[in-house]
Amino acid sequence: DSGVTQTPKHLITATGQRVTLRCSPRSGDLSVYWYQQSLDQGLQFLIQYYNGEERAKGNILERFSAQQFPDLHSELNLSSLELGDSALYFCASSITAGAGGYTFGSGTRLTVV
Amino acid sequence: GESVGLHLPTLSVQEGDNSIINCAYSNSASDYFIWYKQESGKGPQFIIDIRSNMDKRQGQRVTVLLNKTVKHLSLQIAATQPGDSAVYFCAENGQSGGYQKVTFGTGTKLQVIP
Repeated sequence: DSGVTQTPKHLITATGQRVTLRCSPRSGDLSVYWYQQSLDQGLQFLIQYYNGEERAKGNILERFSAQQFPDLHSELNLSSLELGDSALYFCASSITAGAGGYTFGSGTRLTVV
Repeated sequence: GESVGLHLPTLSVQEGDNSIINCAYSNSASDYFIWYKQESGKGPQFIIDIRSNMDKRQGQRVTVLLNKTVKHLSLQIAATQPGDSAVYFCAENGQSGGYQKVTFGTGTKLQVIP
């Protein structure tokens, strides 16, 4: 157990639907990062939050949004889902907003049918 | 633009041999590099890191080498074991848009042959 908790582990939904992925960072970590990993692909950075505020944005689609709550957990909202959104979504956390090793959760596998 | 890539997508190694996984990066301003291991069905796991003011760092059975002249990073695994079978990602940390940003490579799959 890495200390980063992601729920749900698996999610199957239809095209056009909206889902919410949840992440609880490791205790003491203030930064949360969201990554998308498609089949046989690397990790694509989506967005970062630090202590409740958006810190950096990567290749995140407009259909996707995220937020970090006062208790530091984060949610990634994916809407108007398309087949191509099927992927593993990872959350990672770190103590600071900058350099350092990340601690990853075990991911949420999203399948859009 | 910034990019991190890997020379070999798949590496097959005999059990007991040493493995070398390579990575090229393009952002000369990157100051910190990390190797992650991702086993099937799991999230990436931190293995070892190195700062840009170093050229070598050793851990338990793993060594990371950094050559800033050619912007090359490598991960050496000694006496490779079946449990080392996984996808290995290199990542670089550098400035982007005023913030520190970590960019991951596409990954190299290490297959250990018993």
